[in-house]
Amino acid sequence: DAGVIQSPRHEVTEMGQEVTLRCKPISGHNSLFWYRQTMMRGLELLIYFNNNVPIDDSGMPEDRFSAKMPNASFSTLKIQPSEPRDSAVYFCASSYQTYYEQYFGPGTRLTVT
Amino acid sequence: GENVEQHPSTLSVQEGDSAVIKCTYSDSASNYFPWYKQELGKGPQLIIDIRSNVGEKKDQRIAVTLNKTAKHFSLHITETQPEDSAVYFCAAPWMDSSYKLIFGSGTRLLVRP
Repeated sequence: DAGVIQSPRHEVTEMGQEVTLRCKPISGHNSLFWYRQTMMRGLELLIYFNNNVPIDDSGMPEDRFSAKMPNASFSTLKIQPSEPRDSAVYFCASSYQTYYEQYFGPGTRLTVT
Repeated sequence: GENVEQHPSTLSVQEGDSAVIKCTYSDSASNYFPWYKQELGKGPQLIIDIRSNVGEKKDQRIAVTLNKTAKHFSLHITETQPEDSAVYFCAAPWMDSSYKLIFGSGTRLLVRP
């Protein structure tokens, strides 16, 4: 199994630009999570999808953030416009039915200058 | 809601010694306690978990113990090896959520050869 795949692995962009992060969950998993990791706030859940439907987006910090899951094998997290405080590592994770056993991707390191 | 505190923040041990990391949680209804290992440049990896109906679980050199009365759980690594060096995170469910985890702040473990 290839595990959770994320792209790009690194992204450097200027303030105000649109950023799109991509995720391919493990085949057969029906739950998908987007997390953000920073030194100050640790690991935070941004949004949770179940069967491609957004269930909990209470962690999305602002309207500048949006996420979609058009099908079971693909999800995007978009930031528009980006700001320097969005700089962080963004992880995608997926799980299959059993509670909580989440498998994380390698992450995307985002730097907004 | 759930609050998870993790100690120590850093831990340095000699190769072959044991390492213990402790987490406390606040919600007595919590019933699932995973531990994740995060190596540099990688996403968190689930290494062991325990559910509230057992007090201890072992997997080769790692074990997790749970004390529901005191509301704390611990990760034990025996016969540490340099490849155990990483950041370890504990987590607990948010309230009665079936998917949302609250992560501890992490413990950076260094195993000295």
